[in-house]
Amino acid sequence: QVQLQQWGAGLLKPSETLSLTCAVYGGSFSDLYWSWIRQPPGKGLEWIGEINHSGSTNYNPSLKSRVTISLDTSKNHFSLKLNSVTAADTAVYFCAREHYDRFDPWGQGTLVTVSS
Amino acid sequence: DIQMTQSPSSLSASVGDRVTITCRASQSISTYLNWYQQKPGKAPEVLIYEASSLQSGVPSRFSGSGSGTDFTLTISSLQLEDFATYYCQQAYSAPRTFGRGTKLEIK
Repeated sequence: QVQLQQWGAGLLKPSETLSLTCAVYGGSFSDLYWSWIRQPPGKGLEWIGEINHSGSTNYNPSLKSRVTISLDTSKNHFSLKLNSVTAADTAVYFCAREHYDRFDPWGQGTLVTVSS
Repeated sequence: DIQMTQSPSSLSASVGDRVTITCRASQSISTYLNWYQQKPGKAPEVLIYEASSLQSGVPSRFSGSGSGTDFTLTISSLQLEDFATYYCQQAYSAPRTFGRGTKLEIK
């Protein structure tokens, strides 16, 4: 059974770079796509982007200029970087596997707060 | 981007009630529609995939229907553990998009 565990810095200042990592346990990157999704406090879900086992990425056009998703197959990790953050990027960030067109499972979530 | 419109945004109901939540896509998405349940402080969990298929381990009181642009999630007899927020999500094209959610509260 695939499980995802994520970590990263939870407090950033404006203009800094958000950096999160998600470890995959019990599965391999050949399982289709691996995504990042975020949820501002009290709001809905926004898909950020995805990466597959060969490193091919797709990003949400609304964030594309600031996002990089990468993977490290030797460590079974994939990572998210979002640069030039502002208060609008304050959210809980989730990693998730996109398996047969549905997000399952998800990581536990990481609250990232951007504040001066 | 495909816009997903959910209704209602909130709903009060009692244990044992039958509840229906609707989701409309801004263009046809065939049956590439998933439903998720999210409880406070937790990640969403998939309930229904491909519009009407029940995810393994999900109680049979949950069901989904629809195709094209109009979809519904039905809970046949609400249980206490069902009070949560529900999201629809289209998997037809990138970027993947979600509805704004329906918060199901106890009456």
